Amino acid sequence: EAGVTQFPSHSVIEKGQTVTLRCDPISGHDNLYWYRRVMGKEIKFLLHFVKESKQDESGMPNNRFLAERTGGTYSTLKVQPAELEDSGVYFCASSHGTGYGYTFGSGTRLTVV
Amino acid sequence: EDQVTQSPEALRLQEGESSSLNCSYTVSGLRGLFWYRQDPGKGPEFLFTLYSAGEEKEKERLKATLTKKESFLHITAPKPEDSATYLCAVRVDSSYKLIFGSGTRLLVRP
Repeated sequence: EAGVTQFPSHSVIEKGQTVTLRCDPISGHDNLYWYRRVMGKEIKFLLHFVKESKQDESGMPNNRFLAERTGGTYSTLKVQPAELEDSGVYFCASSHGTGYGYTFGSGTRLTVV
Repeated sequence: EDQVTQSPEALRLQEGESSSLNCSYTVSGLRGLFWYRQDPGKGPEFLFTLYSAGEEKEKERLKATLTKKESFLHITAPKPEDSATYLCAVRVDSSYKLIFGSGTRLLVRP
């Protein structure tokens, strides 16, 4: 089966611009998660979708981040406006059920300059 | 506060030199402990899930064990291709999010 696909793989934007990251989960996986790793820190949870509904968005850092999952398929994570501290690697993961091994994508490396 | 600590931060081994990586956790209610392997430029790759103290799982040269306070990832006779960052993560209580440790960077020299 195809894995979790994320694009772009890299994005360099200026402070104040908008960036949209996309994640295509494994087909049939209802659960979709966003995580990120900022420089020198551990990977941290951002939010969890079950189908198209946000189950847990307790890790979203502020209201400049907006995640959507229309139709319960792919998801987007928009950062608007981007700040320097948003730089890092954003990972998406999906799972068939909750608590099973989560499959991660390769990530999007975001650099805000 | 739920916390996951991995040690050592980095480990260098000669090929064939067995060792163990540690993941200690302080959580309110463990629902699963996960081990992942991460190669540069890639996402974490799932290795094991452990659910209860005393549980063990094996895959090739890797063996994961779990106690009430920590987990070990034992690497037996490692090869250079085992070089990677190994991540430990926990799922707690009714939440489905994973709480990650900072990882152990393993380098196996030929």
